[in-house]
Amino acid sequence: NAGVMQNPRHLVRRRGQEARLRCSPMKGHSHVYWYRQLPEEGLKFMVYLQKENIIDESGMPKERFSAEFPKEGPSILRIQQVVRGDSAAYFCASQAGWQDTGELFFGEGSRLTVL
Amino acid sequence: AQTVTQSQPEMSVQEAETVTLSCTYDTSESDYYLFWYKQPPSRQMILVIRQEAYKQQNATENRFSVNFQKAAKSFSLKISDSQLGDAAMYFCASRTQGGSEKLVFGKGTKLTVNP
Repeated sequence: NAGVMQNPRHLVRRRGQEARLRCSPMKGHSHVYWYRQLPEEGLKFMVYLQKENIIDESGMPKERFSAEFPKEGPSILRIQQVVRGDSAAYFCASQAGWQDTGELFFGEGSRLTVL
Repeated sequence: AQTVTQSQPEMSVQEAETVTLSCTYDTSESDYYLFWYKQPPSRQMILVIRQEAYKQQNATENRFSVNFQKAAKSFSLKISDSQLGDAAMYFCASRTQGGSEKLVFGKGTKLTVNP
């Protein structure tokens, strides 16, 4: 079952450390979205990427957060110098390509805990 | 900008009964899609039902149906013959065609099913 794969599922970091979250989209999908879910909240859009290209990063915090989706390999969401407020579930979703306004396929999420 | 509002933080229903979850949205676009996602304790995001705005007929998926009122920008979800496995967070979401086509989520409704 080649669904959207995210790892790690759980990540614990101390304040000031770096967190890297990985997302492998469904087979044949070249577009990836990252969402953040704070406790008791809905999912908030962060960034939309195509391979080697950032399409929309309007939901990304201006500092410490970055995302990439290289030609080969998974998409990476990187959080530098983490703070307690970064503790959340981070979800990745993929779609096949442009103008694919059907279902987004979600991964199971990565839960980041900052101590 | 799109916004999605779910005014019911929590709802409960007796097993085998029917429950309706409310959702209103706001968008200036004419082409858009509406979705209901289910998030059980496992936190996996599961698509329940989708509706294309240009379709007048309400979408139906087995025990799940929607009441789509385009003029009122309302998109409620009806769950018939509720089952214990329906207990979850339910998120309403909208997605426009064109641009980044990101999903915009409401804050969710926690549904409890009582045996």
